Amino acid sequence: GNSVTQMEGPVTLSEEAFLTINCTYTATGYPSLFWYVQYPGEGLQLLLKATKADDKGSNKGFEATYRKETTSFHLEKGSVQVSDSAVYFCALSEWDSAGNNRKLIWGLGTSLAVNP
Amino acid sequence: IAGITQAPTSQILAAGRRMTLRCTQDMRHNAMYWYRQDLGLGLRLIHYSNTAGTTGKGEVPDGYSVSRANTDDFPLTLASAVPSQTSVYFCASSDSVGHEQYFGPGTRLTVT
Repeated sequence: GNSVTQMEGPVTLSEEAFLTINCTYTATGYPSLFWYVQYPGEGLQLLLKATKADDKGSNKGFEATYRKETTSFHLEKGSVQVSDSAVYFCALSEWDSAGNNRKLIWGLGTSLAVNP
Repeated sequence: IAGITQAPTSQILAAGRRMTLRCTQDMRHNAMYWYRQDLGLGLRLIHYSNTAGTTGKGEVPDGYSVSRANTDDFPLTLASAVPSQTSVYFCASSDSVGHEQYFGPGTRLTVT
């Protein structure tokens, strides 16, 4: 079945460092891909998305490009801030077995801590 | 616009008790979802609803039930709580095509 694999955390960086969180997937068809962020004590928020190959999603300085040839959707940011400390989840959408609903398949999450 | 609200924020529950977690959305989304989040296991789908009046089982449905009497509300019931149901529960919703999901703030449940 479809699956999402994220790099294990925790990831610890100094402020202004470059961030990469790897995400690879297996899927049949052409899923949409997402990155969600969960700040401490809060629910998940959509960070960015890409719906087809070679699309680049971007938001708040984060970027990810849908690479079908490598089945990847790596999250990057050029200069992280303390406020970026959170857990980041990669996800893909797929139709359920009845073809009635798109469900999300989730990675396990990667914790990021940014130190001042 | 509140988005998705969940209640209670947290609860300590004795094993064997019945508990309903409430979820309400004001975005008129057709689809709604219940997840549990456990350390090291990520998010796991418990139940979902494509539209009012329909529900479906997710990855870990045992011990939980849901109903969807209207578009806005999607309560999750634990008929007889057990300690393994200690978790953080998130409700989410999405539009009819089910692209991005919008999450509530979560309910932290401890079953003793």
